[in-house]
Amino acid sequence: SQQGEEDPQALSIQEGENATMNCSYKTSINNLQWYRQNSGRGLVHLILIRSNEREKHSGRLRVTLDTSKKSSSLLITASRAADTASYFCATDDEGGSYIPTFGRGTSLIVHP
Amino acid sequence: EAGVAQSPRYKIIEKRQSVAFWCNPISGHATLYWYQQILGQGPKLLIQFQNNGVVDDSQLPKDRFSAERLKGVDSTLKIQPAKLEDSAVYLCASSFTSGSSYEQYFGPGTRLTVT
Repeated sequence: SQQGEEDPQALSIQEGENATMNCSYKTSINNLQWYRQNSGRGLVHLILIRSNEREKHSGRLRVTLDTSKKSSSLLITASRAADTASYFCATDDEGGSYIPTFGRGTSLIVHP
Repeated sequence: EAGVAQSPRYKIIEKRQSVAFWCNPISGHATLYWYQQILGQGPKLLIQFQNNGVVDDSQLPKDRFSAERLKGVDSTLKIQPAKLEDSAVYLCASSFTSGSSYEQYFGPGTRLTVT
């Protein structure tokens, strides 16, 4: 298994601004998933992107994947106070069974 | 659709005591995960079941932790004896089947404090 590492560790923005966070990994993958965790709803799956995809959208979320750089980014547009949470990426190994591994996450604070 | 259920939500014990956590996954989900999340860190996988078989338990401290999933549905995670460093949130998750194409659905967690 491998660990995705999120960057930055912490991000503080104003409501309405965009938030970008990144995930880097070390070995080839099949899929990469993004999760959000806040005190109200616990850990929730946001989006999955496959290794043959470069970009994916879901509402205000935009995820990109650059397999040549072994990195992914999560963009939240027009952020809201309710987006305040920790965001994690989870990766797998291209060749092996899926042992989900989470990084330390990016802590996002959106000020109203 | 009912989500992943966990109990208890909170538990405070003294070191060297024993504790057990229970998880009921989403109906029809073959894969069940137990994670440990220490404050300020991401969830760390302890054990993964596919039906009632273990897929991975490489990060489970087997000298004190044990888990079972009888009949491939509910699961229990036990710590015996507990140490101070076991203070964490224990998360249970389930997915339709194993593999990174399937999203995990997480329960609310059990917050364990060992004093």
